[in-house]
Amino acid sequence: GQQLNQSPQSMFIQEGEDVSMNCTSSSIFNTWLWYKQDPGEGPVLLIALYKAGELTSNGRLTAQFGITRKDSFLNISASIPSDVGIYFCAGLAQGGSEKLVFGKGTKLTVNP
Amino acid sequence: ETGVTQTPRHLVMGMTNKKSLKCEQHLGHNAMYWYKQSAKKPLELMFVYNFKEQTENNSVPSRFSPECPNSSHLFLHLHTLQPEDSALYLCASSHETGLVDEQYFGPGTRLTVT
Repeated sequence: GQQLNQSPQSMFIQEGEDVSMNCTSSSIFNTWLWYKQDPGEGPVLLIALYKAGELTSNGRLTAQFGITRKDSFLNISASIPSDVGIYFCAGLAQGGSEKLVFGKGTKLTVNP
Repeated sequence: ETGVTQTPRHLVMGMTNKKSLKCEQHLGHNAMYWYKQSAKKPLELMFVYNFKEQTENNSVPSRFSPECPNSSHLFLHLHTLQPEDSALYLCASSHETGLVDEQYFGPGTRLTVT
C-alpha cells in the first residue's frame, strides 16, 4: 500500500553528533517532504524533493530522494539542542490519490 | 507572522457542546486541509478544499462538519463529539491540490473532549 515506514521511532544523541533517519515504502513516490514539529506547534516544512536521486540541503539538513523512488533519508549534521522535536516524512505516491501520506515520525532528543 | 493561523489554540468541550475551529491562511493559496493528529499515529487527512470546493472527505464522521467560505478561511464545526476525538487538529494550505506541491501547516488546536 501507500504506507510509509519511518525509522527510527526515537533517537537520543549528544550535541554535536550527526543524525540520520529514513522513510521507506513498497510503493513508488513522486514527491518526498520532510517536516519538523516542535511541541505544541504544527509541522514546519524543512525540505521538498521532486526527482529520484535529488540531494537537497537546508543549512545543516540534507535530504535525498532515493533512486528507487521508494525511500528518502534526512541527515542532520552537528546537532544542536534546538534540533529536538519530531521529524516527519511525507510523500505523494505515484498513481495514487493526490493525498500526502505521512510517516509516524522520529522523535529526536539532543543532550547538551 | 506565520502564514497559517488557527484559533483557538486549546479547546476543552463536553460531548454535548457545539464548537468551531477556525483556520486562516495568508499565503494566497487555493487549497486548504484539515488533519487530525493523535498520539503515536500518522497524521490523518480529514478534509480537502480546492478553490472553496470540497474535494476530499476521508470517511470522517458527520459530527465533524467543515466549511470553506473562501480560499483564505476554513472552519471545522464540532458537535456531539466523543472522548476519542481528543487530538491536535491541524489546518494546512497549499497552492492547489493535484499538483506536486508543499503543504504549510498552522500551529493546531489542541482539543480535549470530556
